Formats: sequence, structure tokens, C-alpha cells
Amino acid sequence: AQSVTQLGSHVSVSEGALVLLRCNYSSSVPPYLFWYVQYPNQGLQLLLKYTSAATLVKGINGFEAEFKKSETSFHLTKPSAHMSDAAEYFCAVSYPNNNDMRFGAGTRLTVKP
Amino acid sequence: DTEVTQTPKHLVMGMTNKKSLKCEQHMGHRAMYWYKQKAKKPPELMFVYSYEKLSINESVPSRFSPECPNSSLLNLHLHALQPEDSALYLCASSLGTGGFDEQYFGPGTRLTVT
Repeated sequence: AQSVTQLGSHVSVSEGALVLLRCNYSSSVPPYLFWYVQYPNQGLQLLLKYTSAATLVKGINGFEAEFKKSETSFHLTKPSAHMSDAAEYFCAVSYPNNNDMRFGAGTRLTVKP
Repeated sequence: DTEVTQTPKHLVMGMTNKKSLKCEQHMGHRAMYWYKQKAKKPPELMFVYSYEKLSINESVPSRFSPECPNSSLLNLHLHALQPEDSALYLCASSLGTGGFDEQYFGPGTRLTVT
């Protein structure tokens, strides 16, 4: 079954530090991969997506992610964390001809002043 | 208009009540989704409608009944719920039905069953 695993349920960084949130997928076919952010008491907002074009994907708010087939990974990074980045982040996967999207368990990002 | 709207924002209902959640989008999207999200957990897929037809039902109890009256509107009818059904219910939509397109999420309805 298609799935994604997010390593680390909670990540804490200092303001201005690098943000790295990890996501690995399990699949025998090329997946579509997404990163979403959820602020408290809100819905999910798309940060970026990978759909087999460029392996380095740039998203909103300075985030980017790199698809690495050899490592089955799609880690999310941001060079410099802002206080406003504190939120829950979800990696998600779907497949061609299938709109059954599955989410990872989520990573809560805390940004310290 | 890139917005998915959901009403109501909050709902408190007793176990014998009947209520409905409403979701609307005007982006011309052909797929619409219902998710259930418990606190500190990821969204769990409940139902998917593709071109106004139910295409996925994730073995959801019959006390949840989805309805798609037209391509812009999605309802979730609730009846005889249990306290464990208390959660954030999220609606989403996507342009296509093939997994390629991102889903746009509404803000959710916070449901409390007493």
C-alpha cells in the first residue's frame, strides 16, 4: 500500500536556523508527493508538490523539497526559519489515476526566538 | 476564487440529533473529498466524489452519509453519532481525479458530539 513516513513528530529550531523536515515514501511506482502546512484551527495549505518534472521543487514561503528516488525521500527544507513557520507539516502521496491521497503522521515545527 | 468554504465552523450535537455539514467550491474542480482529523493526527480520508459520483468510501460507518447535489457542493449528513466522532471535519477539492492535482482544503468544521 502507498504510504509516507515522516521522521520526527516534533522538530524544534531557532529563528534563523535551517529547517529540515523528513519524508520517505514506499512505492514501486513513481508517486506524486506533496507537502502541506496546517496552522492551529485551520485547514491544510499546499506548500509544494512533485509530479515527476524537476526533482528540486520550490514552494511558497521560502520552502523547497528535493525528490531523491535512490533514497525514496522528499525532505522539506527552508534556509532560515521564521517564527511564523511554527505549524504542523504533513507529507502526502498519491499515484497516477488514483485520487486516494495518503498523509504522513505529521511533524510539528517549533521555532524558538 | 481559490477557496473552499465550509459551514458551520463549529457544531455541537447530541447523539440523537441529525445535522449536516456543507462544503462549497467554485473553482470548477471535479473531485471533492471529506476527511476526518482527530487532534494531533493527520487527516483520514472518508469519501471521494469524482464527477459527482461516489468513487471512494473508506468503510465509513453508515451514520455518516455523503451527498453531492452538484459539482460545486458537497454535504455530509450526520445521524446518531458517537462521542468518538468528535473531530475536525475537512472538505477538499481538486481539479482532476487522477492524483496529479493538489487538493484545496476548507477551514473545517469542528464537531463535538455530546
